[in-house]
Amino acid sequence: QVTLKESGPALVKPTQTLTLTCTFSGFSLSTRGTRVSWIRQPPGKALEWLARIDWDDKKFYSTSLKTRLTISKDTSKNQVVLTMTNMDPVDTATFYCARAHTSQGDWFEFWGQGTLVTVSS
Amino acid sequence: EIVLTQSPATLSLSPGERATLSCRASQSVSSYLAWYQHKPGQAPRLLIYDASNRATGIPARFSGSGSGTDFTLTISSLEPEDFAIYYCQQRSNWYSFGQGTKLEIK
Repeated sequence: QVTLKESGPALVKPTQTLTLTCTFSGFSLSTRGTRVSWIRQPPGKALEWLARIDWDDKKFYSTSLKTRLTISKDTSKNQVVLTMTNMDPVDTATFYCARAHTSQGDWFEFWGQGTLVTVSS
Repeated sequence: EIVLTQSPATLSLSPGERATLSCRASQSVSSYLAWYQHKPGQAPRLLIYDASNRATGIPARFSGSGSGTDFTLTISSLEPEDFAIYYCQQRSNWYSFGQGTKLEIK
């Protein structure tokens, strides 16, 4: 059974760096074709893809946020970590991690429940 | 960037009725389009991928159609558990999502 769970601070101050962890089970990120993405949703707004890390450690970022994002993985811990620098109140959102696999068309087949991050002083 | 526009924003229907949700892309995405169901506090659920294929475990009342720029998600006969927000998503050019259609009970 595939599960993913996001964790991190519920509140961060403007200009701080946000660090979120996606802890998963039921699959390995060292298995060829496996990908994990981070996606966020500001209140009342659309989902927005942020970053992706692949089984071979290739990393991809949203063009608009590329300079602020870093994604990494710890295969032994079954975790993917996202950092976002210089947080601003407009970054307030629910952050999700999601798994895709190239053999299943690279769709976000499994998601975590999300973690709400509020940016406020 | 490919923009996905969903309509209507809100759809009010009763259980047993047919629901038709639309998603229009700003440029062709071929058949690289998926639909997700999202309920508050839950993980989004993949319903349809590649425009018309049901994901594992998805009931047959859910169906998808379209290609290019115009897509439709149809729920043939609404069950109480179907009232949720529905999003379309493309992966033709990286990833983007529509703004969602809220399906509410009339």
